[in-house]
Amino acid sequence: QKEVEQNSGPLSVPEGAIASLNCTYSDRGSQSFFWYRQYSGKSPELIMSIYSNGDKEDGRFTAQLNKASQYVSLLIRDSQPSDSATYLCAVNMANAGNMLTFGGGTRLMVKP
Amino acid sequence: NAGVTQTPKFQVLKTGQSMTLQCAQDMNHNSMYWYRQDPGMGLRLIYYSASEGTTDKGEVPNGYNVSRLNKREFSLRLESAAPSQTSVYFCASKTSANYGYTFGSGTRLTVV
Repeated sequence: QKEVEQNSGPLSVPEGAIASLNCTYSDRGSQSFFWYRQYSGKSPELIMSIYSNGDKEDGRFTAQLNKASQYVSLLIRDSQPSDSATYLCAVNMANAGNMLTFGGGTRLMVKP
Repeated sequence: NAGVTQTPKFQVLKTGQSMTLQCAQDMNHNSMYWYRQDPGMGLRLIYYSASEGTTDKGEVPNGYNVSRLNKREFSLRLESAAPSQTSVYFCASKTSANYGYTFGSGTRLTVV
């Protein structure tokens, strides 16, 4: 079992819809959780971080964390074609110091 | 504010040649990392430096060496390049556990 798992996709949604991206992690002691967006040929860009159970909203993005279920998700409201990218989930696991463990990423396609 | 700067952006090497990938950050971050990213393989950690003066192996260190020259700079050296090292290389830095990585723009390396 991978330490951080994501469905590779592609996840295809129509423009204006809500895109829901999911991530599960294996280390119950993990404390910090991050979502990165990576456009094709570019480097990953940090878009959301979350540390406590519940929801955290930033513009059209909402990160959700459920530590009991070891589950973190990213919702993108009013999806735009410019949101088409690969989204990487990253977790700072217990006893890993400053190191992040990445999922394989989910490719999102928003169709006009 | 430059963030994380990687050089070169593109490089073609012949099998057996050596080269050094340079990385510098101006954010006073303690930790620095080298990853490679291959299609279908996600981000794989090559080496990291938790703090100035320390370096440790990651998941795929074979064929690479690193130097943490000072707090700002962390270089990755390929002593004898092989076609299997054809990849996109990302340098990243981080300040503490509650923060995500900041990535450089990447180096696209082809070994022929």
